[in-house]
Amino acid sequence: QVQLVQSGAEVKKPGASVKVSCKASGYTFTSYYMHWVRQAPGQGLEWMGIINPSGGSTSYAQKFQGRVTMTRDTSTSTVYMELSSLRSEDTAVYYCARSLHIAAASDYWGQGTLVTVSS
Amino acid sequence: DIQMTQSPSSLSASVGDRVTITCQASQDISNYLNWYQQKPGKAPKLLIYDASNLETGVPSRFSGSGSGTDFTFTISSLQPEDIATYYCQQYDNLPITFGPGTKVDIK
Repeated sequence: QVQLVQSGAEVKKPGASVKVSCKASGYTFTSYYMHWVRQAPGQGLEWMGIINPSGGSTSYAQKFQGRVTMTRDTSTSTVYMELSSLRSEDTAVYYCARSLHIAAASDYWGQGTLVTVSS
Repeated sequence: DIQMTQSPSSLSASVGDRVTITCQASQDISNYLNWYQQKPGKAPKLLIYDASNLETGVPSRFSGSGSGTDFTFTISSLQPEDIATYYCQQYDNLPITFGPGTKVDIK
């Protein structure tokens, strides 16, 4: 069965970086795109960007350009999202979610990773 | 960026009621719209894709319609397990954007 398993919760200080992983199983890793979506406490869903695990190409939301890096490791079927220069407003649950095309519905989601930014 | 609005922001209905949520896009997105359900502490779950297609395994009381800029999501007979927040999402253009959500609870 399809599973997206994310790394555990993180606590970071302002200005630090965080790297969240999302390990895929149960399907051909390179056949689906992977999105990253975040949700601040009590708030809605915010799309951060997308990576094509096949070639590694990425597209980021303008808001995160220069601060976010999405990568993948095809040998372990894992995608990573690194966010730098963290500030308190980055405190959120971060989700990975796959889609068959770059523009398509996300049918499977990871369980979410809480990142807390606090001094 | 394409802006998505939803109404109402919250609603309270009785078990068995018909519930309707609307979603409006700031420009024509054809049928490139999805609906997700999110329960507290859980990841979003895809219910409807391409505006009107029911995702496999989703109960038939959920439905979607619309195209262009105006879309509707309906629960034909509200059940206690439908208590959640519902989000529309457009994928016509990057960046993908979500509506602000509609919180549904039981009266």
